[in-house]
Amino acid sequence: DAGITQSPRHKVTETGTPVTLRCHQTENHRYMYWYRQDPGHGLRLIHYSYGVKDTDKGEVSDGYSVSRSKTEDFLLTLESATSSQTSVYFCAISEERGTTGELFFGEGSRLTVL
Amino acid sequence: DQQVKQNSPSLSVQEGRISILNCDYTNSMFDYFLWYKKYPAEGPTFLISISSIKDKNEDGRFTVFLNKSAKHLSLHIVPSQPGDSAVYFCAASRLGGGADGLTFGKGTHLIIQP
Repeated sequence: DAGITQSPRHKVTETGTPVTLRCHQTENHRYMYWYRQDPGHGLRLIHYSYGVKDTDKGEVSDGYSVSRSKTEDFLLTLESATSSQTSVYFCAISEERGTTGELFFGEGSRLTVL
Repeated sequence: DQQVKQNSPSLSVQEGRISILNCDYTNSMFDYFLWYKKYPAEGPTFLISISSIKDKNEDGRFTVFLNKSAKHLSLHIVPSQPGDSAVYFCAASRLGGGADGLTFGKGTHLIIQP
């Protein structure tokens, strides 16, 4: 199994509060991703990173920011959480491009915004 | 605009029979296709993949078929077992298209009936 750890695994917060989710990998993979999973929507890409300090937006990036100061850590921040951001968040990693494109996923972080 | 479509939200199959999960895509730039399996409270795990230059790939009980002209792929599971009950996601990537991860369908919940 790929060494991916997400924290926290579960969080309940109130509307308007900031939230940071952390993804930590031990595989030294260059590419890291944040997805959210919602019923009826499948997995949707929020942000991704292709190296330290190199990040870009995905399909559903509004209301989210990311940072990657070290190869092993990719942080997802909700500056002011809203109820629409209640979801399960998955971090994923992959090796260099040009291979199969396969992603390895963490176990997920369930966020509830009241 | 959904680029990867799984039109069956759920599928019920009797144990021992064949399960066929379908997936359609619209983006002609996709050149690699993957299937992921997801159990509740766990992250998605890679199951099987196929390159666009092939029309079939087999791995044990799992076979993926690709019809490039129809932009359609299917996952066959034979014989179906109770442990196959899970949500299956179809995903696609562009190998030469940068680091932007995989595009997922909404998923199909496969239920194997005893």
